Amino acid sequence: QKEVEQNSGPLSVPEGAIASLNCTYSDRGSQSFFWYRQYSGKSPELIMSIYSNGDKEDGRFTAQLNKASQYVSLLIRDSQPSDSATYLCTSWGGSYIPTFGRGTSLIVHP
Amino acid sequence: GAGVSQSPSNKVTEKGKDVELRCDPISGHTALYWYRQSLGQGLEFLIYFQGNSAPDKSGLPSDRFSAERTGGSVSTLTIQRTQQEDSAVYLCASSLSSAVGQETQYFGPGTRLLVL
Repeated sequence: QKEVEQNSGPLSVPEGAIASLNCTYSDRGSQSFFWYRQYSGKSPELIMSIYSNGDKEDGRFTAQLNKASQYVSLLIRDSQPSDSATYLCTSWGGSYIPTFGRGTSLIVHP
Repeated sequence: GAGVSQSPSNKVTEKGKDVELRCDPISGHTALYWYRQSLGQGLEFLIYFQGNSAPDKSGLPSDRFSAERTGGSVSTLTIQRTQQEDSAVYLCASSLSSAVGQETQYFGPGTRLLVL
């Protein structure tokens, strides 16, 4: 059974702080990883993708991947109230079906 | 360009009735996925299409659920004899699918189904 584990939260951070969202996966064959953001009542939208070990930066977002530890994280710098949402971690293990985590709720308070 | 669209956006039905949900993927996207999301829960995979073929139907909860895709484009998800536990948001996503696991999925706005 392929699993992606995320702390459900909520993770509460003050505006301007760094939010750190973490995810672990069970399938060692997983090759690619995606972070989606889902606002309440809306559908998921892609934030970042990462395929290789290390860091990948895009604006205020940094994705980190450590395949040896089967660990993926998303850092959000200078967090804004508009970043308040649920963040879904997804892994692909070489099949056509991704495995989604249940998401971490992030609250950025002014 | 246009994104993934789904209709209806909301559907209220009575227990035992059949419902049909529609998904229009992004033009040119060959892969199409259906998911179900219950309140406060994660995404539950239902079925995947590559073109008009459904290589994996393993996520369909019961034989009351079926789906088809025609012309490599529009897909319909049909739920027969709806039950209250079918109430959820049904999400459709499409991707280019040029490489397994490398493609971003683009989600539609979802259909919110309520079975009374």
